[in-house]
Amino acid sequence: IAGITQAPTSQILAAGRRMTLRCTQDMRHNAMYWYRQDLGLGLRLIHYSNTAGTTGKGEVPDGYSVSRANTDDFPLTLASAVPSQTSVYFCASSDHPTGGRGYTFGSGTRLTVV
Amino acid sequence: QKEVEQDPGPLSVPEGAIVSLNCTYSNSAFQYFMWYRQYSRKGPELLMYTYSSGNKEDGRFTAQVDKSSKYISLFIRDSQPSDSATYLCAMSGVTSGTYKYIFGTGTRLKVLA
Repeated sequence: IAGITQAPTSQILAAGRRMTLRCTQDMRHNAMYWYRQDLGLGLRLIHYSNTAGTTGKGEVPDGYSVSRANTDDFPLTLASAVPSQTSVYFCASSDHPTGGRGYTFGSGTRLTVV
Repeated sequence: QKEVEQDPGPLSVPEGAIVSLNCTYSNSAFQYFMWYRQYSRKGPELLMYTYSSGNKEDGRFTAQVDKSSKYISLFIRDSQPSDSATYLCAMSGVTSGTYKYIFGTGTRLKVLA
């Protein structure tokens, strides 16, 4: 089934630990995105990639890094987790260069930093 | 002022009712308008997108965009319990040379059987 696969589905992480959230898509979409979703704040863009080999910062990039070595994979790394990074993380992709026709989202990773 | 305002709800309606969900926005540069549905503990799913002003219909769902009022709506006819979810509006466009894609915070809908 075409779509986005995220892993893990949930994780409890000790503060200060490093963690990589995985995202893989099989739709050959050029653009990919990482969002965090928090109650009352909605979806906020962390990082994005318009095409393989390029990345950019979103609204809330601090404490996160990404890489885009190929079209399909877009991992998100928390170098040293802090409790404020407790959130639900969604990876998304788009075939339209500006996302105008909408995004396809993964099922999310629920992360708790303690 | 937020760029996109959306009533968080919850909005409770009886089965079969017509549901109206709305968003207002402030940036006139937005050209694409989207509605997503998000079930509990799932990712958002694109329902519809509209370019510029006008209406778009897909089955029981109708999206309306009024750019002059900076107001968008999603209507659900003959609502079903399976429509119970959070509905997110989103919009995109180029503003000050920068592409922007933003989401509303979502309206939680409950359709009661």
